[in-house]
Amino acid sequence: AQSVAQPEDQVNVAEGNPLTVKCTYSVSGNPYLFWYVQYPNRGLQFLLKYITGDNLVKGSYGFEAEFNKSQTSFHLKKPSALVSDSALYFCAADYKLSFGAGTTVTVRA
Amino acid sequence: GAVVSQHPSWVICKSGTSVKIECRSLDFQATTMFWYRQFPKQSLMLMATSNEGSKATYEQGVEKDKFLINHASLTLSTLTVTSAHPEDSSFYICSARDRAAGGFYEQYFGPGTRLTVT
Repeated sequence: AQSVAQPEDQVNVAEGNPLTVKCTYSVSGNPYLFWYVQYPNRGLQFLLKYITGDNLVKGSYGFEAEFNKSQTSFHLKKPSALVSDSALYFCAADYKLSFGAGTTVTVRA
Repeated sequence: GAVVSQHPSWVICKSGTSVKIECRSLDFQATTMFWYRQFPKQSLMLMATSNEGSKATYEQGVEKDKFLINHASLTLSTLTVTSAHPEDSSFYICSARDRAAGGFYEQYFGPGTRLTVT
């Protein structure tokens, strides 16, 4: 079974600054890892996934994530945050998607 | 891209009544659909996995007689909350895997249904 942890409830950054949302995982076997974003009262939108291959995964809306096996991490990153990136972000793992607790990102103008 | 719809988007019902929520994959066939429940400012909790033509598999702690799931076709799954009570008030989200794509790794999510039981 796989599980994920998002150590930060909230992340606040200024527009134009780099954005990082942290995720660590606990696995038995090969990890299947995902990032989703949720806007208020909406379903989830897929950002990116790691199954195998390159450790740096590029996804939607300029986001990317780096799979780090030694640190068991899969942090989500964006070089230059936008106000419109303000949302709730979920890391997830496994076939049935075990979700982390979520991280609320606020990007201030 | 793959689109999943849910109906209704929100519903208010009286305690003791039943409510049906539909989840449809609009432009692809989904052999597997998932139902999640989300409380305010909390994560999604998987309730059950629904496979077309077979009984749903419920997660531990989820009452299968209370949350009836039917996956009658490759594009439709329904969740019926029977004898609803105020504690069932929540945001219910479905997702579906694209059968044609192999569908193993990516789920497409519906917009969610807000249920309020008075």
